[in-house]
Amino acid sequence: SQTIHQWPATLVQPVGSPLSLECTVEGTSNPNLYWYRQAAGRGLQLLFYSVGIGQISSEVPQNLSASRPQDRQFILSSKKLLLSDSGFYLCAWTNLGGGIYEQYFGPGTRLTVT
Amino acid sequence: AQSVTQPDIHITVSEGASLELRCNYSYGATPYLFWYVQSPGQGLQLLLKYFSGDTLVQGIKGFEAEFKRSQSSFNLRKPSVHWSDAAEYFCAVGAGSGGYQKVTFGTGTKLQVIP
Repeated sequence: SQTIHQWPATLVQPVGSPLSLECTVEGTSNPNLYWYRQAAGRGLQLLFYSVGIGQISSEVPQNLSASRPQDRQFILSSKKLLLSDSGFYLCAWTNLGGGIYEQYFGPGTRLTVT
Repeated sequence: AQSVTQPDIHITVSEGASLELRCNYSYGATPYLFWYVQSPGQGLQLLLKYFSGDTLVQGIKGFEAEFKRSQSSFNLRKPSVHWSDAAEYFCAVGAGSGGYQKVTFGTGTKLQVIP
């Protein structure tokens, strides 16, 4: 069966510090991968998606970047965090090749920028 | 572009009462529709999905949803709510082609269950 992991689970970082959040998927190949941010009391905002290794699309301009160095690894980064980067970050995957369209989510990373 | 509206930000029901959470979508073609549930501090769990066929779909945890094209709605229902159903519920619409699918989520409805 497929599983998705995110780490760290929680993170407290000062303004101006770098960021690296990691997401890995097991049990599937060539998934589409997604990064979302969920601010308090708000819905999910799609940040990045990737349909393959090295292929990244950004949905909104921001202080963040994403990379996909391996088929089942998706990384969210920032060189200098802002207060507004605080939130709950969710990684998700889907596999269109298998005719599966629903997205499956990881447990999330709670980021607090101080 | 697709969009989703969940008009109720917060709903309170008594344990054992019935539940209906509203969801309206906007999309030009037949959409892929989903309901997810999120417990505090957790990721989202898929409750059910609609792609085609029978407009009444059954999901996990005793939930069901009905697709009504004429009303552009996909409301979530449960006949008898349990205290463990307290969580936030998200409706979503998916669309895509060429190997990419974009899912747009509503802003969520927070469900409180009182004993």
